This record gives sequence, C-alpha cells and structure tokens, in this order.
Amino acid sequence: DTAVSQTPKYLVTQMGNDKSIKCEQNLGHDTMYWYKQDSKKFLKIMFSYNNKELIINETVPNRFSPKSPDKAHLNLHINSLELGDSAVYFCASNLAGGFTEAFFGQGTRLTVV
Amino acid sequence: GENVEQHPSTLSVQEGDSAVIKCTYSDSASNYFPWYKQELGKRPQLIIDIRSNVGEKKDQRIAVTLNKTAKHFSLHITETQPEDSAVYFCALDTGTASKLTFGTGTRLQVTL
Repeated sequence: DTAVSQTPKYLVTQMGNDKSIKCEQNLGHDTMYWYKQDSKKFLKIMFSYNNKELIINETVPNRFSPKSPDKAHLNLHINSLELGDSAVYFCASNLAGGFTEAFFGQGTRLTVV
Repeated sequence: GENVEQHPSTLSVQEGDSAVIKCTYSDSASNYFPWYKQELGKRPQLIIDIRSNVGEKKDQRIAVTLNKTAKHFSLHITETQPEDSAVYFCALDTGTASKLTFGTGTRLQVTL
C-alpha cells in the first residue's frame, strides 16, 4: 500500500552512463515533483508536473529529462552521468493548488563512480 | 526562485528542553508553511503545517507560529525527547505554481 514508490532504491553507475529512476503514486494526486538532496542535506526542487504538464524546471542541466506518461507517474532520465550527480533523489506528490501535505518516496541514492 | 532561510543549521538540546527553529522568506505571495522531519536514512514527512490566515497552530509538543508581516515562521518543540533527533525542514508554497520550496534544514540533536 505504498503511497509514493520509486525505484531503484540504490543506483551505482559509471560516469557517462545513462540511467532512469521511476516514480509512481497511488494517492490520486495531480502534482508530482523531483527533488535532489545533496550531501549537505539541502532539498532542492528540480521539476514539478501538474497533470502530466511540466510546471517548474529549476535550472536543471538538460541532461536531466523528466517524463510523465500519466498523472500517477513521473520518471527521471539522466544522460551522461557526472560525479556531481551523486545524491539522493526524492519523488513527491500532492494535490494541485498547494496547501496540502506532500508525500515523498523512499528516495534513490545515486552514486556515480 | 523563492528564498527560504532557515536557522540554525544545527541545534543541540538536552532532553526535556525546548527547541526553536526559524525560517524567513521573501515572497509575500507565500501562503502555506509546512514543516517536515527527516530521520536518518528516511524520507521527509510532514509534522505540522500552517496557512497564512492563521498565526499559530499547536499539536501536542510541537507548534508553529507565523508572522506574515515580518515574513518569518518558526517551529517550536517542547519537552524534547531523543526520538525528536532528526533534520527538520521548513517549506513554503504560494498555492498557485505547484512549487513546494524547502529551507536549508536544521539538524536537531537531543542529548540525554
């Protein structure tokens, strides 16, 4: 009965590779997000989608491409991985219009070697 | 983007003492102010939130106060316990742009 699930939980890959992280929510939410949490624990918003439509793109390199096939899914594809991409990536969702709790996935720890 | 400053970055208190974390923001359109707790290795989870039409909200040992004029809001934890040890994030949203922005986090350590 996981509300927001993302896979994989851990991802270790070499520089230059392309990888994807998947996220699914079963809460019926309209808005989904990707956040990056670096080693200093800062939670930085990367993207937000509302009903499959891109709303926010926070100056993220275009090597990062989100895709939302439907409002319950928001995947993140990363091309040409760099060492600085190593972080924990969190997917989250809430109801459109704000004022509501955002539910987070368990996080994906990406390590680029 | 919206700037949310959070202080202090680390806070150590003795069990039973109170802890206060403060956030300041710049966008007067912000109208929703949640607080999230992240335990080590876990996901952030909402612990309390407040809307702009309310000045204070309390839930057992935790409370949040909001000063819209001064553009700051604070989390208060009373009678702290070891299980309160975690990283706490303030956040805010304008309610229009699907953009939940987080503060820089406060690592709270409750010592015995």
